[in-house]
Amino acid sequence: DSGVTQTPKHLITATGQRVTLRCSPRSGDLSVYWYQQSLDQGLQFLIQYYNGEERAKGNILERFSAQQFPDLHSELNLSSLELGDSALYFCASSAGTGGWDGELFFGEGSRLTVL
Amino acid sequence: DQQVKQNSPSLSVQEGRISILNCDYTNSMFDYFLWYKKYPAEGPTFLISISSIKDKNEDGRFTVFLNKSAKHLSLHIVPSQPGDSAVYFCAASDLNQFYFGTGTSLTVIP
Repeated sequence: DSGVTQTPKHLITATGQRVTLRCSPRSGDLSVYWYQQSLDQGLQFLIQYYNGEERAKGNILERFSAQQFPDLHSELNLSSLELGDSALYFCASSAGTGGWDGELFFGEGSRLTVL
Repeated sequence: DQQVKQNSPSLSVQEGRISILNCDYTNSMFDYFLWYKKYPAEGPTFLISISSIKDKNEDGRFTVFLNKSAKHLSLHIVPSQPGDSAVYFCAASDLNQFYFGTGTSLTVIP
């Protein structure tokens, strides 16, 4: 158990809809990262928050947004969903922001299926 | 632009032999390198890491080698076991974020 909790584990929805994925980081970790893993793809970095502030942005679509709340949990909002958004979405947390601040700990992922 | 590359999508090895997984990176500012292991339907789990000031780090059956001049790192698993069958992701970190490769699927044949 990594200590990172993601909900829901599975989600099936239709094109055009909006969903929210939730992540609770490990106790004490200030950074939350979101990654997308599509079929046969690696881990694509979406966005990072550190202590409530957006820290880094990757290949995140404009239809997607995220935030980190004062209690450090984070939500990833995906809107106007398309078939291609079907993927595993991972949340990870770390104590710092990179380098020797500590490694990433991943949740089990949220599998999104868009029909 | 992929800053961390794993050029071998898959690797098969006999049980008991050595598994060598390779990773290349482009950014000389990376100062910390990690390997993660991922089983199906689970999140990646941290395996081993190495600082840019070292060239080798060992943890049991797992050893990571770093060649900074070649911007190359490798993960050696000796001896390989069937339970090692998983996808292995290489990652590199600077002060700001982590960059992952596309993964190598390792199959250890009993």
